[in-house]
Amino acid sequence: AQKITQTQPGMFVQEKEAVTLDCTYDTSDPSYGLFWYKQPSSGEMIFLIYQGSYDQQNATEGRYSLNFQKARKSANLVISASQLGDSAMYFCAMREGPGPPSSASKIIFGSGTRLSIRP
Amino acid sequence: NAGVMQNPRHLVRRRGQEARLRCSPMKGHSHVYWYRQLPEEGLKFMVYLQKENIIDESGMPKERFSAEFPKEGPSILRIQQVVRGDSAAYFCASSPTSAETQYFGPGTRLLVL
Repeated sequence: AQKITQTQPGMFVQEKEAVTLDCTYDTSDPSYGLFWYKQPSSGEMIFLIYQGSYDQQNATEGRYSLNFQKARKSANLVISASQLGDSAMYFCAMREGPGPPSSASKIIFGSGTRLSIRP
Repeated sequence: NAGVMQNPRHLVRRRGQEARLRCSPMKGHSHVYWYRQLPEEGLKFMVYLQKENIIDESGMPKERFSAEFPKEGPSILRIQQVVRGDSAAYFCASSPTSAETQYFGPGTRLLVL
């Protein structure tokens, strides 16, 4: 069965430092996608970054990068040069398959990591 | 291009009443997903719909909950005879195909008194 594990309930980081948020996953499907979402205190879910299981390179989006280690089944999020506005809950998530069967389209979320940036 | 829209943003209901949550997907997106988030937890999948079809409802409670995505108009998540345990944030997401990234709406916070 699919499972996403985020072992850090909360983290405090000094502004401008880099931060790594841990995520491990479990799936028997050889094809899957991994996501990170940010949820600020206002409550909305903001898509940050996506990594496909067959992607050869680690995904990057601005200050966000995904450290994808397939053999270890980990997909850590790295935020470089953290900013006060990065304070939020961060969720790692996974979807099995690239598409059909259609039941594989649902996303499974981890329990989240609350990141707090200190000025 | 407007994002996923949900309304209302906040909904208060008394036990036994009905709650109707609406979701308008992004333009060009025909796949809609509903998720529920209990306090201090991650999102849990409820149902996946395409226009006029329920594709996967494996996360929907068997009773009181229903969802639709008609040919015209928004997707609706309906909760009948609400109970206090239904209090949660309900998120809708949409994507252009089932294989692509899901973009989330702002959520509806349901409070059952």
